[in-house]
Amino acid sequence: SQQGEEDPQALSIQEGENATMNCSYKTSINNLQWYRQNSGRGLVHLILIRSNEREKHSGRLRVTLDTSKKSSSLLITASRAADTASYFCATDHGGAQKLVFGQGTRLTINP
Amino acid sequence: DVKVTQSSRYLVKRTGEKVFLECVQDMDHENMFWYRQDPGLGLRLIYFSYDVKMKEKGDIPEGYSVSREKKERFSLILESASTNQTSMYLCASTITGGEFTGSYEQYFGPGTRLTVT
Repeated sequence: SQQGEEDPQALSIQEGENATMNCSYKTSINNLQWYRQNSGRGLVHLILIRSNEREKHSGRLRVTLDTSKKSSSLLITASRAADTASYFCATDHGGAQKLVFGQGTRLTINP
Repeated sequence: DVKVTQSSRYLVKRTGEKVFLECVQDMDHENMFWYRQDPGLGLRLIYFSYDVKMKEKGDIPEGYSVSREKKERFSLILESASTNQTSMYLCASTITGGEFTGSYEQYFGPGTRLTVT
């Protein structure tokens, strides 16, 4: 299976702290994407990083990609209660626009 | 803004019933997808379609079929619902990426939570 793995499965931090989530995958990629899912809702796209990029920023989000280690990390700085959600990485391994999703990290921000 | 809508948020069906889940997108996207999401298993691709009347099996197509008669609409059909098909079903759409750009972001509907009793 090409499915990636996310680490940790669950993370609980205090509001204002930084949250880091990791994603590993098994085969080469075109790009890697991160999505957020609020409880019981659909997924929302956060950021896309291509295989020739090493780092990307969007607001309080910072994504890194290390293709030699087949891994990526998502950093959320200065966390807020509204960041409480599940976060998924998804990898494009080429062909037909398909993505392979990881199992997700459940992030809880405590006020 | 892209909008992907699903016909129901919650659905309860009996074992053996034929179930239709409808998905509509309003951004003229070529590609549409059906996933199911189960605790601890993440999202798994059931079927996808890259054009009208075109479909391809995903990772778990058994027990499901799909229909895409119009570009904006992609239907998931459970021919004879079973209790192991109780799940959250998510529809998504995206435009077609290029050979060197790869895929683009997927836009998701709100999901349908299906319970089969």
